[in-house]
Amino acid sequence: GAVVSQHPSRVICKSGTSVKIECRSLDFQATTMFWYRQFPKKSLMLMATSNEGSKATYEQGVEKDKFLINHASLTLSTLTVTSAHPEDSSFYICSAKRATLPGETQYFGPGTRLLVL
Amino acid sequence: GESVGLHLPTLSVQEGDNSIINCAYSNSASDYFIWYKQESGKGPQFIIDIRSNMDKRQGQRVTVLLNKTVKHLSLQIAATQPGDSAVYFCAENSAGGTSYGKLTFGQGTILTVHP
Repeated sequence: GAVVSQHPSRVICKSGTSVKIECRSLDFQATTMFWYRQFPKKSLMLMATSNEGSKATYEQGVEKDKFLINHASLTLSTLTVTSAHPEDSSFYICSAKRATLPGETQYFGPGTRLLVL
Repeated sequence: GESVGLHLPTLSVQEGDNSIINCAYSNSASDYFIWYKQESGKGPQFIIDIRSNMDKRQGQRVTVLLNKTVKHLSLQIAATQPGDSAVYFCAENSAGGTSYGKLTFGQGTILTVHP
């Protein structure tokens, strides 16, 4: 159990366009999902915390109008990179926490590699 | 802000040897720690976790040790295999305040296992 998927796995887009990334918990319900960004050979940096049915909480320095997050159900959160620019190119990873089991373990998706030309 | 860091950025071992990956943390309020393994181009994979009320926890071929006195965490991998080659991250979960429930990741250690 505890499988998290992301779609797409890779995306290439032109500068100025918007890109939507989906994060799904496949076999459990997740009241909380997290979005991370990772640059090559670097650690994961938390961008925002997504709670089902409420507004996302963004980390300091992350533009909420740039990175739109929607957590519409207990199994789906989406991250939309609006008006993408080359500096937005990165590896975006989501994670999810189980709704019913105790503990704080986060299960991660396989990541989405975004390249903005 | 407080952070989690790793002592050794790279570690090379021979197949069959035991590996020890270290991590120092600075947030004394953290109550839960996790080790993740990340292979190239993939998301982090949960390995093992430990709560702050424990000193040691064992899994299959892996052991996590927690020393709260010196704020040190380690991951021991027994009989390391080539498939263990990856980047290993420690992460801490904050116990309270505005950071509750968030994970803070260390910088990562690259483990390379030579056959």
